[in-house]
Amino acid sequence: EVQLVESGGGLIQPGGSLRLSCAASGFTVNSNYMSWVRQAPGKGLEWVSLIYSGGATYYADSVEGRFTISRDNSKNTLYLQMNSLRAEDTAVYYCAGIVSAGTVGDYWGQGTLVTVSS
Amino acid sequence: EIVLTQSPGTLSLSPGERATLSCRASQSLTNYLAWYQQKPGQAPRLLIYGASSRATGIPDRFSGSGSGTDFTLTISRLEPEDFAVYYCQLYGSSPSWTFGQGTKVDIK
Repeated sequence: EVQLVESGGGLIQPGGSLRLSCAASGFTVNSNYMSWVRQAPGKGLEWVSLIYSGGATYYADSVEGRFTISRDNSKNTLYLQMNSLRAEDTAVYYCAGIVSAGTVGDYWGQGTLVTVSS
Repeated sequence: EIVLTQSPGTLSLSPGERATLSCRASQSLTNYLAWYQQKPGQAPRLLIYGASSRATGIPDRFSGSGSGTDFTLTISRLEPEDFAVYYCQLYGSSPSWTFGQGTKVDIK
């Protein structure tokens, strides 16, 4: 059974940094595409970042230059380093594992809430 | 930048009825169109990928169709558990991944 468990969310002041983690079991992070998707309170889904199995990384324009996706193969864990956080980054952040081409996730974690506020 | 427009915003139907959800892309790039279901407080669930292929474990009352710029998700007979929000998502050039704004299917 595939399980993805996010952690690292919380309350952070504008301009601050936070690192989200996504621990995977039953799914090998470095052999598959992985993504981060977020959802602001009461809003729709927004793709944030994606990493290919070969290591190429991609970002939405809204987070380019501020967020960094990475993975630790030894820990089978995906990360999202978030810097220069803004109020508009407030959202539930989901990590997802991708099997089906063109999608952002076949397998999803439960999400972790990031609140950017002073 | 690709824009996906879903219609209608809300669909009010009764269990057993047929639901037809639309997703229109601002430009024709690929047929890597996916549909997701999301219930309150839950993560999204992949239903359809490649415009018409059902994801693992998805009941056959869910079907996807379309190509180019116009795509459709059809739920042949609504079950009580199908009342939820549905999002389309397109893989495009750059590469990029774009979601529509969602269609809520609620009980009439």
